[in-house]
Amino acid sequence: KAGVTQTPRYLIKTRGQQVTLSCSPISGHRSVSWYQQTPGQGLQFLFEYFSETQRNKGNFPGRFSGRQFSNSRSEMNVSTLELGDSALYLCASSSGINTEAFFGQGTRLTVV
Amino acid sequence: KNEVEQSPQNLTAQEGEFITINCSYSVGISALHWLQQHPGGGIVSLFMLSSGKKKHGRLIATINIQEKHSSLHITASHPRDSAVYICAAISGGGADGLTFGKGTHLIIQP
Repeated sequence: KAGVTQTPRYLIKTRGQQVTLSCSPISGHRSVSWYQQTPGQGLQFLFEYFSETQRNKGNFPGRFSGRQFSNSRSEMNVSTLELGDSALYLCASSSGINTEAFFGQGTRLTVV
Repeated sequence: KNEVEQSPQNLTAQEGEFITINCSYSVGISALHWLQQHPGGGIVSLFMLSSGKKKHGRLIATINIQEKHSSLHITASHPRDSAVYICAAISGGGADGLTFGKGTHLIIQP
């Protein structure tokens, strides 16, 4: 069974640009969550999608958005990038709500 | 909002030693994850538990719901166990996603 796949693995963007990250969950998993990891703040919850609906959202500005498709694949978008958005972005999939989460390798975003 | 505290922040030990990492949280939870993160970023879920104790190989995780405390133990530690260990709590029925501790950076020296 393939694991959680995130693309791209590395990305360099310029301030003011926007970026889209992709996450393909484990086959059969309907829940996808996104997290941001920075050295200063550690891991923080961004949002969770379940069956194409955003279920929860963390405390991040509206520049951070996401969506989930009917095949459970998810994308997150960050608009008007700031230097502080440089981070490792991780997604995790699970079969349902409050079930074990399986993480992808992450996308390392650098904003210059 | 749940606060998740881990200790110690950093731990260096010799190969073969018994390791304990602690995690405490401020409000009731439905479950708690123990995660392992190696350099490069990838995170592996070690355990998810809501009560009692779980064991997998040399790893043991326990949780005491009343005391709002969980521990991760590594027996016969090995240099390949060197990693960051993170506990993450599911609270509020999952409404807040996972709330993470800051992590414990473990180094096992040969």
